[in-house]
Amino acid sequence: SAVISQKPSRDICQRGTSLTIQCQVDSQVTMMFWYRQQPGQSLTLIATANQGSEATYESGFVIDKFPISRPNLTFSTLTVSNMSPEDSSIYLCSVKGKLVPSKDSSGNTEAFFGQGTRLTVV
Amino acid sequence: QQQVKQSPQSLIVQKGGISIINCAYENTAFDYFPWYQQFPGKGPALLIAIRPDVSEKKEGRFTISFNKSAKQFSLHIMDSQPGDSATYFCAASIGGGADGLTFGKGTHLIIQP
Repeated sequence: SAVISQKPSRDICQRGTSLTIQCQVDSQVTMMFWYRQQPGQSLTLIATANQGSEATYESGFVIDKFPISRPNLTFSTLTVSNMSPEDSSIYLCSVKGKLVPSKDSSGNTEAFFGQGTRLTVV
Repeated sequence: QQQVKQSPQSLIVQKGGISIINCAYENTAFDYFPWYQQFPGKGPALLIAIRPDVSEKKEGRFTISFNKSAKQFSLHIMDSQPGDSATYFCAASIGGGADGLTFGKGTHLIIQP
């Protein structure tokens, strides 16, 4: 499986500010996604991060609130803008589809997740 | 509209018993169904996944049963161990898994020693 590093692992932020979360993968991958997991809840897909173009957002999520970048095949950022306490959540990066052949059984469908960024907005 | 319904919300099983978690989906375009295990403070980890062309897949103590006509799938954990205590999520996606995942609400599983 791919090794996924997310930074920061946690943060406490003031309302009205913005936080940028970084996701770094140890190998080139075809797909990168961002999810939100509210405390004790399930995961909800925010958007697909597209390399070299605008992200594809799911219903209920907009670019002005959650701008996403993906400058290459191993890195993506998610910004949570103009934060409010309702944005307190865990934000997770997910990847699929290793471009570099490997000996493990991972193919283009298995999705792997980072450890997440626990955000608290006060 | 919740596209993947998961039950039960919580489950307590004795050590050595069988844990069974069920999911039902609505969107017939879904064609990839993984299960994830999540421990507190960690990201979800892929356990096992199935496609609709098979009715069952087994990996070690974990088995997925899939019923395409009923649009249901389930996870069976055989010989459940205290280390299996975690939250389990079913999920589904379109495009053979190329798209993002739609998750169920999760099942908090406790294995009692």
